[in-house]
Amino acid sequence: SQTIHQWPATLVQPVGSPLSLECTVEGTSNPNLYWYRQAAGRGLQLLFYSVGIGQISSEVPQNLSASRPQDRQFILSSKKLLLSDSGFYLCAWSEGYEQYFGPGTRLTVT
Amino acid sequence: AQTVTQSQPEMSVQEAETVTLSCTYDTSESDYYLFWYKQPPSRQMILVIRQEAYKQQNATENRFSVNFQKAAKSFSLKISDSQLGDAAMYFCAYEYNNNDMRFGAGTRLTVKP
Repeated sequence: SQTIHQWPATLVQPVGSPLSLECTVEGTSNPNLYWYRQAAGRGLQLLFYSVGIGQISSEVPQNLSASRPQDRQFILSSKKLLLSDSGFYLCAWSEGYEQYFGPGTRLTVT
Repeated sequence: AQTVTQSQPEMSVQEAETVTLSCTYDTSESDYYLFWYKQPPSRQMILVIRQEAYKQQNATENRFSVNFQKAAKSFSLKISDSQLGDAAMYFCAYEYNNNDMRFGAGTRLTVKP
């Protein structure tokens, strides 16, 4: 069966520091991968998606970037965090129309 | 642009009773997918039920069922025999292609014992 992992689970970073969140999927090949952000009490906003290695599409102009160095690895990065980057970050994968989500990372920028 | 609207920020239900969560969406497409996701306090997003727009029959998963009204662009979720474990945020989502899933703002469901 397929599983999706995200780490770290919780992160507190100062403004201006770099960021790297990692997502890995097991039990499937060539999945579509997604990064979402969820602000407190809000719905999900799609940040990036990837249909293959090295293929990244950005949905919203951000202080963030994404990379897919391996088939089942998806990384969310920032060179300099802003206060507005605080939130809950969810990674998801799909092979068809259903998306399956990881446990998420709670990021607090101080 | 496709939008998803959940007009009920909060709902509550008595344990063992039935509750219906509302969702409407806007699209010009004829073939698409609709979903309900549950987000408990752990914040893990869990797929509850899905509906293909080309299917007229409403989807059902155990105590969860939907009322899909394509012409009205309405997609409500009915939870029967509510349990304490059903307490969560519920998100309605629309997807037209694999890379364009849109979520509503969510409905917080409280289950009273």
